[in-house]
Amino acid sequence: RKEVEQDPGPFNVPEGATVAFNCTYSNSASQSFFWYRQDCRKEPKLLMSVYSSGNEDGRFTAQLNRASQYISLLIRDSKLSDSATYLCAVNLRSKLSFGAGTTVTVRA
Amino acid sequence: EAGVVQSPRYKIIEKKQPVAFWCNPISGHNTLYWYLQNLGQGPELLIRYENEEAVDDSQLPKDRFSAERLKGVDSTLKIQPAELGDSAVYLCASSNAPYNEQFFGPGTRLTVL
Repeated sequence: RKEVEQDPGPFNVPEGATVAFNCTYSNSASQSFFWYRQDCRKEPKLLMSVYSSGNEDGRFTAQLNRASQYISLLIRDSKLSDSATYLCAVNLRSKLSFGAGTTVTVRA
Repeated sequence: EAGVVQSPRYKIIEKKQPVAFWCNPISGHNTLYWYLQNLGQGPELLIRYENEEAVDDSQLPKDRFSAERLKGVDSTLKIQPAELGDSAVYLCASSNAPYNEQFFGPGTRLTVL
């Protein structure tokens, strides 16, 4: 079983829609969690850190469910510019493990 | 504030040739990481440095890969000799502490012919 797993998608959504996707992790001792955004042929850019209480940044909301070992990302009022691959990352003993990413395409 | 700097951005070499990548982390970031990313996959850790010390190199193929961070600031990753399967993007990242957010450089896209 992979340490971090994501639904690869693609999630094709119209502008203005809400899209949400999860990331599961295998080790319950994982300590910190992050969402990164990666555009084609670019480096991953930090989108959000995920706190135990969940957190929100504008149209983006991240949640952590330790009991079920997953984190989620919800994007409200999708924009064309939200089209990207979203990578989740899980930190265990200072090692960050990444999922393969979820591709989101927002269409006009 | 300047981000993580990497060079070169692109490199094309023939198999069995050596290649080296350079990274300068964000100022003040003591933790430096080298990752490899294949198409359609997430980054995979090769090595992590805390200052000058390589504290996790368990995923580094030591028969052909080597890395150094002599003064605890910039770092070099080397492959010698390169193989076809080494074609990938090599990403450098840094953070101000091991558990904290990591920030990535633009990467070096390596093509081995």
